[in-house]
Amino acid sequence: DSGVTQTPKHLITATGQRVTLRCSPRSGDLSVYWYQQSLDQGLQFLIQYYNGEERAKGNILERFSAQQFPDLHSELNLSSLELGDSALYFCASSPSGRSDEQYFGPGTRLTVT
Amino acid sequence: AQSVTQPDIHITVSEGASLELRCNYSYGATPYLFWYVQSPGQGLQLLLKYFSGDTLVQGIKGFEAEFKRSQSSFNLRKPSVHWSDAAEYFCAANNQAGTALIFGKGTTLSVSS
Repeated sequence: DSGVTQTPKHLITATGQRVTLRCSPRSGDLSVYWYQQSLDQGLQFLIQYYNGEERAKGNILERFSAQQFPDLHSELNLSSLELGDSALYFCASSPSGRSDEQYFGPGTRLTVT
Repeated sequence: AQSVTQPDIHITVSEGASLELRCNYSYGATPYLFWYVQSPGQGLQLLLKYFSGDTLVQGIKGFEAEFKRSQSSFNLRKPSVHWSDAAEYFCAANNQAGTALIFGKGTTLSVSS
């Protein structure tokens, strides 16, 4: 158990819908990262937050957004969902914002039908 | 562009035999390097990391990895594989901004009895 929690574990929704994925980092970690894992793209970095502020952006679509709250939990919002958004979404946390080892949550499996 | 390459998509090893998983990186400087393991339906667990210093690093579960600057490699090894080691293994490096991890495509390890 990494100490990073993600909810829900599974999510099934229809195209065009909007969903919110939630992540709670390890106690004391200030950084939260979101990654998408799909069969064709592998593991791709989406976005990083550090102590409530956006720190870095990766391959995140404009239909996706995230935020980190004062209690340091984070939410990833996915809207206008397409079939291709079906993937495993991981949250990771690290103590600081730079080059630390990252600890991953169990992931949320999103299926868009 | 920075990249991490795992040349082997799938490897099968007999239980009790030794294991080496290959990882090569393309990077402007010496990156921070990591190996993660993902069991079916699970998140990613950090096996070991290299930041600097001794080029042979020890990790959990009896794994070790050796950083070779001349070969831009960071191969993962285990002297004797157990059936429970069957999983997918990911090599990763921090991006140059230090804000995210770049992952290889992964190597699936099967263990035969």
